[in-house]
Amino acid sequence: QVQLQESGPGLVRPSETLSLDCTVSGVSMTKYYWGWIRQSPGKGLEWIAYIFYSGSVSYNPSLKSRLSISIDTSKNQFSLKVRSVTAADTAVYYCASFPGLRTFDSWGPGTHVTVSS
Amino acid sequence: EIVMTQSPGTLSVSPGERVTLSCRASQNINSNLAWYQQIPGQAPRLLISGASTRASNIPARFSGSGSGTEFTLTISYIQSEDFAVYYCQQYDRWPPWTFGQGTKVEIK
Repeated sequence: QVQLQESGPGLVRPSETLSLDCTVSGVSMTKYYWGWIRQSPGKGLEWIAYIFYSGSVSYNPSLKSRLSISIDTSKNQFSLKVRSVTAADTAVYYCASFPGLRTFDSWGPGTHVTVSS
Repeated sequence: EIVMTQSPGTLSVSPGERVTLSCRASQNINSNLAWYQQIPGQAPRLLISGASTRASNIPARFSGSGSGTEFTLTISYIQSEDFAVYYCQQYDRWPPWTFGQGTKVEIK
């Protein structure tokens, strides 16, 4: 059974960089694509990025200039960085398995991030 | 970007009723549609993919239909644990993968 767990800072100052990790268990990270999704009251569910163990990545065009996603299969982790955050980046951030680039099959419980000074 | 529109925004129903939720895509997405259930405080859970195929361990009272631009999620006999927010998501044309804004199903 695939299990995911997000970790993050909780609070980030405006203009700083948000760093999030997702730790995966129960499956080899080479088996699936892996994605990040966020949920805010204003924008609902929003796909952010995905990564494959080979290094293949894709970003939401609306966020692309501020994003960076990476993977470390030796640690069973993949990570997301969001640069130059603003209040609009306040959201619950989820990581998920993304087999076949179709549906988000297994999700972490989410980590709430607030951008505020 | 494909825009997904769900209706209604909120649905008030009594336990045991049949519930129908709608999702419309701004372009033809064939059958490349998924439905998720989100209980407050929890992550979304995949219910249906391919517009009509239930995910593992999803009860048979959940069914999906449609293709092209019009889709429906039906809960045949809604139970207390089904009161939640439901989202549709398209995976036909990407990036980005896009979600509807959700339909909240609440107890009348």
